[in-house]
Amino acid sequence: KQEVTQIPAALSVPEGENLVLNCSFTDSAIYNLQWFRQDPGKGLTSLLLIQSSQREQTSGRLNASLDKSSGRSTLYIAASQPGDSATYLCAVRLTDSWGKLQFGAGTQVVVTP
Amino acid sequence: DAGVIQSPRHEVTEMGQEVTLRCKPISGHDYLFWYRQTMMRGLELLIYFNNNVPIDDSGMPEDRFSAKMPNASFSTLKIQPSEPRDSAVYFCASHIGGLYYNEQFFGPGTRLTVL
Repeated sequence: KQEVTQIPAALSVPEGENLVLNCSFTDSAIYNLQWFRQDPGKGLTSLLLIQSSQREQTSGRLNASLDKSSGRSTLYIAASQPGDSATYLCAVRLTDSWGKLQFGAGTQVVVTP
Repeated sequence: DAGVIQSPRHEVTEMGQEVTLRCKPISGHDYLFWYRQTMMRGLELLIYFNNNVPIDDSGMPEDRFSAKMPNASFSTLKIQPSEPRDSAVYFCASHIGGLYYNEQFFGPGTRLTVL
């Protein structure tokens, strides 16, 4: 059974520092991996989608890498800002369940001014 | 595009009452998903539709839960009768074609409290 883990569960950094968020999964049989952001009381916002054949995706200050063989993905956020404070979730799309998304529990990030 | 729209945003009801949550997916999206989020269990998929047809409802917790999609622009999730343990945030999400490769887009959620 696929398990998705995000460590740490919470992270606090001063403004300007780079953020590094980790996501690990136990089964490398995935179609893709998606990173989301969730603000308190709000829905999930899609940040980046990495297909299983890709090694990384970039969007502005965000960069996500994928190492399928080792079951890991990392989301980098450069030059963090207080507006980056949110919970970040990763989700893998499984190959053995019609493409169902399996979510991690998330990392809660606080960027202090 | 307005994104995925859900209503109501908040619902407070008493145990035993019927609750209906509504969702309008992004226009043109042919896949629709209902999720539930709680602190204890995180995000759980309840059911998903393709072209208005329910494909997998294995995540629906009990017979008290039912979902319909009468047309491409509207879906409902109904709980009857509701119980306190149903309190959670319910999300609707949609995406277009190519089930395995495309991004899912989420609505803002409905926060349900059952007293």
